Amino acid sequence: SQQGEEDPQALSIQEGENATMNCSYKTSINNLQWYRQNSGRGLVHLILIRSNEREKHSGRLRVTLDTSKKSSSLLITASRAADTASYFCATDAWGSTLGRLYFGRGTQLTVWP
Amino acid sequence: DGGITQSPKYLFRKEGQNVTLSCEQNLNHDAMYWYRQDPGQGLRLIYYSQIVNDFQKGDIAEGYSVSREKKESFPLTVTSAQKNPTAFYLCASSTFHLGEQETQYFGPGTRLLVL
Repeated sequence: SQQGEEDPQALSIQEGENATMNCSYKTSINNLQWYRQNSGRGLVHLILIRSNEREKHSGRLRVTLDTSKKSSSLLITASRAADTASYFCATDAWGSTLGRLYFGRGTQLTVWP
Repeated sequence: DGGITQSPKYLFRKEGQNVTLSCEQNLNHDAMYWYRQDPGQGLRLIYYSQIVNDFQKGDIAEGYSVSREKKESFPLTVTSAQKNPTAFYLCASSTFHLGEQETQYFGPGTRLLVL
Protein backbone atom coordinates (compact mmCIF):
# COMPACT_ATOMS: atom_id res chain seq x y z
CA SER A 1 0.00 0.00 0.00
CA GLN A 2 1.14 3.53 -0.67
CA GLN A 3 -0.77 4.75 2.36
CA GLY A 4 1.00 6.88 4.91
CA GLU A 5 1.11 5.71 8.48
CA GLU A 6 0.97 8.13 11.39
CA ASP A 7 2.66 7.58 14.69
CA PRO A 8 1.60 7.60 17.48
CA GLN A 9 -2.03 6.55 17.03
CA ALA A 10 -2.97 8.65 20.05
CA LEU A 11 -1.22 11.46 21.90
CA SER A 12 -2.31 13.13 25.12
CA ILE A 13 -0.59 16.29 26.41
CA GLN A 14 -1.17 19.35 28.60
CA GLU A 15 -1.85 22.83 27.24
CA GLY A 16 1.36 24.67 26.51
CA GLU A 17 3.33 21.55 25.64
CA ASN A 18 4.51 20.75 22.13
CA ALA A 19 2.93 17.92 20.15
CA THR A 20 4.89 15.93 17.57
CA MET A 21 3.30 13.52 15.12
CA ASN A 22 5.13 11.43 12.56
CA CYS A 23 4.17 10.05 9.19
CA SER A 24 5.94 7.35 7.20
CA TYR A 25 5.19 6.38 3.62
CA LYS A 26 6.42 3.80 1.15
CA THR A 27 6.86 5.30 -2.31
CA SER A 28 8.41 8.42 -3.79
CA ILE A 29 6.14 11.44 -3.56
CA ASN A 30 5.40 14.72 -5.28
CA ASN A 31 4.18 16.28 -2.07
CA LEU A 32 2.94 15.43 1.41
CA GLN A 33 0.01 17.17 3.07
CA TRP A 34 -1.26 17.37 6.64
CA TYR A 35 -4.94 17.68 7.49
CA ARG A 36 -6.88 18.14 10.70
CA GLN A 37 -10.30 16.70 11.53
CA ASN A 38 -12.44 17.73 14.47
CA SER A 39 -14.80 15.03 15.68
CA GLY A 40 -17.69 14.49 13.26
CA ARG A 41 -16.47 17.11 10.80
CA GLY A 42 -14.74 17.27 7.45
CA LEU A 43 -10.98 17.53 7.07
CA VAL A 44 -9.24 20.88 6.98
CA HIS A 45 -5.97 21.35 5.12
CA LEU A 46 -3.08 22.52 7.30
CA ILE A 47 0.06 22.52 5.21
CA LEU A 48 1.56 21.11 2.01
CA ILE A 49 5.27 20.35 1.66
CA ARG A 50 6.77 19.45 -1.71
CA SER A 51 9.35 16.76 -2.25
CA ASN A 52 12.13 19.32 -2.80
CA GLU A 53 11.39 21.11 0.49
CA ARG A 54 12.76 20.06 3.88
CA GLU A 55 10.87 22.28 6.29
CA LYS A 56 7.84 24.51 6.29
CA HIS A 57 6.20 26.73 8.90
CA SER A 58 2.69 28.04 9.32
CA GLY A 59 1.91 29.84 12.56
CA ARG A 60 2.44 27.33 15.39
CA LEU A 61 2.88 24.47 12.91
CA ARG A 62 6.21 23.18 11.71
CA VAL A 63 6.44 20.37 9.17
CA THR A 64 9.61 18.56 8.16
CA LEU A 65 10.15 16.13 5.31
CA ASP A 66 12.95 13.60 4.96
CA THR A 67 12.57 11.93 1.57
CA SER A 68 15.56 9.64 2.18
CA LYS A 69 13.75 8.15 5.18
CA LYS A 70 10.31 8.54 3.58
CA SER A 71 9.03 10.30 6.65
CA SER A 72 7.51 13.58 7.77
CA SER A 73 6.76 15.14 11.12
CA LEU A 74 4.21 17.71 12.25
CA LEU A 75 5.08 19.80 15.29
CA ILE A 76 2.44 21.91 17.03
CA THR A 77 4.06 24.31 19.45
CA ALA A 78 2.44 25.72 22.59
CA SER A 79 -0.61 23.53 22.15
CA ARG A 80 -4.10 24.63 23.16
CA ALA A 81 -7.22 22.70 24.11
CA ALA A 82 -8.67 23.80 20.76
CA ASP A 83 -5.95 21.78 18.99
CA THR A 84 -7.68 18.59 20.11
CA ALA A 85 -8.47 16.74 16.88
CA SER A 86 -7.30 13.94 14.60
CA TYR A 87 -4.36 14.73 12.33
CA PHE A 88 -3.81 12.95 9.01
CA CYS A 89 -0.96 12.91 6.58
CA ALA A 90 -1.66 12.36 2.88
CA THR A 91 0.75 11.71 0.04
CA ASP A 92 0.57 12.57 -3.62
CA ALA A 93 2.58 9.55 -4.72
CA TRP A 94 4.91 10.14 -7.66
CA GLY A 95 4.04 8.00 -10.65
CA SER A 96 0.73 6.88 -9.18
CA THR A 97 -2.64 7.49 -10.73
CA LEU A 98 -2.86 11.22 -11.21
CA GLY A 99 -5.42 12.89 -9.07
CA ARG A 100 -5.53 11.10 -5.78
CA LEU A 101 -4.08 11.32 -2.31
CA TYR A 102 -3.25 8.43 -0.02
CA PHE A 103 -4.32 9.08 3.58
CA GLY A 104 -3.01 7.50 6.75
CA ARG A 105 -5.16 6.42 9.70
CA GLY A 106 -4.41 9.51 11.72
CA THR A 107 -3.12 10.55 15.13
CA GLN A 108 -5.73 11.45 17.73
CA LEU A 109 -4.39 14.41 19.71
CA THR A 110 -5.95 15.34 23.02
CA VAL A 111 -4.81 18.55 24.72
CA TRP A 112 -5.90 18.91 28.35
CA PRO A 113 -6.50 22.39 29.80
CA ASP B 1 -19.17 32.30 -0.03
CA GLY B 2 -17.12 29.61 -1.73
CA GLY B 3 -17.02 26.08 -0.50
CA ILE B 4 -18.18 22.51 -0.74
CA THR B 5 -21.49 21.34 0.68
CA GLN B 6 -22.91 17.92 1.44
CA SER B 7 -26.45 16.90 2.19
CA PRO B 8 -28.08 15.53 4.13
CA LYS B 9 -26.07 15.61 7.35
CA TYR B 10 -27.66 12.34 8.48
CA LEU B 11 -29.21 9.68 6.25
CA PHE B 12 -31.02 6.53 7.18
CA ARG B 13 -31.19 3.57 4.85
CA LYS B 14 -33.53 0.63 4.99
CA GLU B 15 -32.52 -2.85 3.87
CA GLY B 16 -32.50 -3.18 0.08
CA GLN B 17 -32.79 0.56 -0.48
CA ASN B 18 -30.58 2.75 -2.66
CA VAL B 19 -29.75 6.16 -1.24
CA THR B 20 -28.01 9.15 -2.81
CA LEU B 21 -25.65 11.54 -1.07
CA SER B 22 -25.30 15.01 -2.52
CA CYS B 23 -22.04 16.93 -3.00
CA GLU B 24 -21.83 20.40 -4.54
CA GLN B 25 -18.88 22.77 -4.91
CA ASN B 26 -18.59 26.35 -6.15
CA LEU B 27 -14.80 26.48 -6.09
CA ASN B 28 -14.52 25.85 -9.85
CA HIS B 29 -12.45 22.74 -9.14
CA ASP B 30 -12.08 20.12 -11.85
CA ALA B 31 -11.54 17.16 -9.53
CA MET B 32 -13.97 15.72 -6.99
CA TYR B 33 -13.71 12.77 -4.62
CA TRP B 34 -15.77 10.53 -2.36
CA TYR B 35 -14.24 8.96 0.75
CA ARG B 36 -15.58 6.60 3.35
CA GLN B 37 -14.43 6.85 6.98
CA ASP B 38 -15.14 4.18 9.58
CA PRO B 39 -14.68 4.81 13.33
CA GLY B 40 -11.03 5.24 14.25
CA GLN B 41 -9.97 4.72 10.66
CA GLY B 42 -8.47 6.82 7.94
CA LEU B 43 -10.10 7.78 4.66
CA ARG B 44 -10.70 5.21 1.96
CA LEU B 45 -11.31 6.40 -1.58
CA ILE B 46 -14.55 5.23 -3.18
CA TYR B 47 -14.67 7.11 -6.50
CA TYR B 48 -13.05 10.17 -7.98
CA SER B 49 -13.55 12.34 -11.03
CA GLN B 50 -10.95 14.55 -12.68
CA ILE B 51 -13.27 16.05 -15.25
CA VAL B 52 -16.95 16.26 -16.16
CA ASN B 53 -18.43 13.06 -17.62
CA ASP B 54 -15.50 10.97 -16.43
CA PHE B 55 -14.80 9.14 -13.16
CA GLN B 56 -12.60 6.35 -11.83
CA LYS B 57 -13.02 3.68 -9.19
CA GLY B 58 -11.08 4.09 -6.00
CA ASP B 59 -10.11 1.39 -3.55
CA ILE B 60 -13.60 0.39 -2.36
CA ALA B 61 -16.00 1.11 -5.24
CA GLU B 62 -18.09 -2.06 -4.95
CA GLY B 63 -21.67 -1.29 -3.97
CA TYR B 64 -21.39 2.39 -4.89
CA SER B 65 -22.06 4.41 -8.04
CA VAL B 66 -21.45 8.03 -9.06
CA SER B 67 -22.15 10.46 -11.88
CA ARG B 68 -20.45 13.69 -12.96
CA GLU B 69 -22.81 15.47 -15.31
CA LYS B 70 -21.90 18.95 -14.05
CA LYS B 71 -18.61 20.37 -12.86
CA GLU B 72 -20.21 21.50 -9.60
CA SER B 73 -21.89 18.24 -8.64
CA PHE B 74 -20.72 14.71 -7.82
CA PRO B 75 -23.53 12.64 -6.23
CA LEU B 76 -22.82 9.26 -4.68
CA THR B 77 -25.37 6.46 -4.66
CA VAL B 78 -25.05 3.74 -2.06
CA THR B 79 -26.74 0.73 -3.60
CA SER B 80 -28.34 -2.27 -1.94
CA ALA B 81 -25.25 -4.24 -3.00
CA GLN B 82 -23.24 -2.41 -0.33
CA LYS B 83 -23.81 -4.72 2.62
CA ASN B 84 -22.13 -2.63 5.29
CA PRO B 85 -22.89 1.01 4.41
CA THR B 86 -22.87 2.49 7.92
CA ALA B 87 -20.06 5.04 7.87
CA PHE B 88 -19.17 8.72 7.59
CA TYR B 89 -18.97 9.85 3.95
CA LEU B 90 -16.78 12.76 2.94
CA CYS B 91 -16.73 14.58 -0.37
CA ALA B 92 -13.77 16.69 -1.48
CA SER B 93 -12.63 18.75 -4.46
CA SER B 94 -9.27 19.99 -5.69
CA THR B 95 -7.16 21.35 -8.51
CA PHE B 96 -3.90 20.23 -10.05
CA HIS B 97 -0.75 22.21 -10.67
CA LEU B 98 2.08 21.00 -12.91
CA GLY B 99 0.85 17.43 -12.54
CA GLU B 100 0.72 17.52 -8.76
CA GLN B 101 -2.31 17.01 -6.56
CA GLU B 102 -2.97 20.25 -4.74
CA THR B 103 -4.95 20.82 -1.55
CA GLN B 104 -8.23 18.97 -1.22
CA TYR B 105 -11.17 20.88 0.24
CA PHE B 106 -13.64 18.79 2.20
CA GLY B 107 -17.34 19.06 2.82
CA PRO B 108 -18.83 18.61 6.32
CA GLY B 109 -19.74 14.96 5.70
CA THR B 110 -22.84 12.78 5.69
CA ARG B 111 -23.37 10.11 8.31
CA LEU B 112 -25.21 7.11 6.89
CA LEU B 113 -26.99 4.75 9.23
CA VAL B 114 -28.85 1.54 8.47
CA LEU B 115 -32.28 1.01 10.01
